[in-house]
Amino acid sequence: DVKVTQSSRYLVKRTGEKVFLECVQDMDHENMFWYRQDPGLGLRLIYFSYDVKMKEKGDIPEGYSVSREKKERFSLILESASTNQTSMYLCASSFHGGRSYEQYFGPGTRLTVT
Amino acid sequence: SQQGEEDPQALSIQEGENATMNCSYKTSINNLQWYRQNSGRGLVHLILIRSNEREKHSGRLRVTLDTSKKSSSLLITASRAADTASYFCATDAGGTYKYIFGTGTRLKVLA
Repeated sequence: DVKVTQSSRYLVKRTGEKVFLECVQDMDHENMFWYRQDPGLGLRLIYFSYDVKMKEKGDIPEGYSVSREKKERFSLILESASTNQTSMYLCASSFHGGRSYEQYFGPGTRLTVT
Repeated sequence: SQQGEEDPQALSIQEGENATMNCSYKTSINNLQWYRQNSGRGLVHLILIRSNEREKHSGRLRVTLDTSKKSSSLLITASRAADTASYFCATDAGGTYKYIFGTGTRLKVLA
């Protein structure tokens, strides 16, 4: 079974803190994604990566950065957390190149910034 | 901008009834996927339909695609309480491996 794990299910941070969200997948997938999910807005893509050290901005990259030093691990960084970054964060992974387009999701991290 | 928009936003039915939800999108696609999300959890892939397919089945799921209308529908037959979840469509943004998700339909199946 494909497994995508996220470092925390729930996280509470203070405004201005640096926050790291980690995601690990065990299927040797090339692509990895970070989304945020807010009520009424669905899933919005923050960043994605199609290879180690490669990244591309999604629709809402402002206030976020990412790191992919190893194929299985994709980190989302909030440089200075703000209350409007309170959200559910979902990580996903998939194969690259048309073998399969299915994305496998982690359980999500519910982040609250106070 | 949202590529996929699901309709209705919420749906409540009795166990055993069929549930139909719709997805509309704006630009041309190569394929469209449907996902399910149980409350507070990650999404699970249900089915993928390619742009050259009109209908696809998987168990109690039936998906249709009308590229001329830029719309898709997901039908769940003989629904069960366990089908209670949010359902999302996701479209590829013009041939890339990035997918754009809609806002979802919340389905509640009453026992």
